[in-house]
Amino acid sequence: KAGVTQTPRYLIKTRGQQVTLSCSPISGHRSVSWYQQTPGQGLQFLFEYFSETQRNKGNFPGRFSGRQFSNSRSEMNVSTLELGDSALYLCASINTGRTEAFFGQGTRLTVV
Amino acid sequence: QQQVKQSPQSLIVQKGGISIINCAYENTAFDYFPWYQQFPGKGPALLIAIRPDVSEKKEGRFTISFNKSAKQFSLHIMDSQPGDSATYFCAARGSNDYKLSFGAGTTVTVRA
Repeated sequence: KAGVTQTPRYLIKTRGQQVTLSCSPISGHRSVSWYQQTPGQGLQFLFEYFSETQRNKGNFPGRFSGRQFSNSRSEMNVSTLELGDSALYLCASINTGRTEAFFGQGTRLTVV
Repeated sequence: QQQVKQSPQSLIVQKGGISIINCAYENTAFDYFPWYQQFPGKGPALLIAIRPDVSEKKEGRFTISFNKSAKQFSLHIMDSQPGDSATYFCAARGSNDYKLSFGAGTTVTVRA
């Protein structure tokens, strides 16, 4: 059974640019959550998608957005990048009962 | 504002010793308490989890103790091995929104 696949693994972007990250959840899982991990703030919830609908949203500015496709794959987008957006972005695939969250390896974003 | 407080920030234990990590929460609307293990360059991996109606859960060398009245829970790693060296995160899931709130993490180093 394949795990959670996040692409790309590493990204370097310049301030002001935008970026799109991709996540393919575990087969059969219809819910995907995104988290930002930084040394200073730890793991923080960004948003959750279920059946192409955003179900929850964390306390992040509107520059952070996401979407989910009919095959459950999800993308998150960050526009007008700031230096502080440098982080590990993690996608979690959530099982049907929402009792377990399985994380991918993450996308390491560096903003210069 | 950290909804889950985790301590210590780091700990060093000898091989064969016991590692103990503590977490405390304020929000009584949490209904599920997982622990995650993260190695450098990897995403967090679900280790063990407990619900508040259970006071203890053991899986192999890992045990969660849960004190509902004190709003505290802890992870015990028995017979610690060098391969257990990692960062451990406690988390709590909201009963209404299913969002995971994470502790700040504990870096465990097991000396051979």
